[in-house]
Amino acid sequence: EIVMTQSPATLSVSPGERATLSCRASQSVSSNLAWYQQKPGQAPRLLIYGASTRATGIPARFSGSGSGTEFTLTISSLQSEDFAVYYCQQYNNWPYSFGQGTKLEIK
Amino acid sequence: EVQLVQSGAEVKKPGESLKISCKGSGYSFTSYWIGWVRQMPGKGLEWMGIIYPGDSDTRYSPSFQGQVTISADKSISTAYLQWSSLKASDTAMYYCARLGRGLDYWGQGTLVTVSS
Repeated sequence: EIVMTQSPATLSVSPGERATLSCRASQSVSSNLAWYQQKPGQAPRLLIYGASTRATGIPARFSGSGSGTEFTLTISSLQSEDFAVYYCQQYNNWPYSFGQGTKLEIK
Repeated sequence: EVQLVQSGAEVKKPGESLKISCKGSGYSFTSYWIGWVRQMPGKGLEWMGIIYPGDSDTRYSPSFQGQVTISADKSISTAYLQWSSLKASDTAMYYCARLGRGLDYWGQGTLVTVSS
């Protein structure tokens, strides 16, 4: 079973600054990696699939990179609506698995 | 418009059975896997299992194998998640989601509360 590890657990960033979130897989997942955003009281929303492709309607300030075991989600200039919890998830091998999440909070 | 609409919140007692639903619309329901995801209060997301409504091929995460049953009725574009004997530790929000490129569409969630 592939274990996904996200870091840091909490990231404090000021609006307008850049945020960089990391995700590591315990074994290669190729580019079969997605990122999700979840706000309180809402279902998660797909941001990135295939490690680097933005989902429909996702702003260009969100970008994903990486392959194999190391992945990064970058938010280039944080807006107030971006403060949320972010999850990575691999869909290369069943059982698919999520990371434990990174909470992005306002500094 | 693609939509997944889940059944409403449930309050149950330990030992009771439960079946919750997820109805898809706006796309070919038989052509995409549907996943079920658990989120316990204040915690992260956990994969429970997936089903392909086209042929009912089903896979379970090891933690949930034998604990729940996932099924689908393609004639009414609906997937199900059921328990035969609920425990207090089953208290959580349960989401269904379509597996396209990633989980691209999500239901609104069904809150299940198990309490004596």
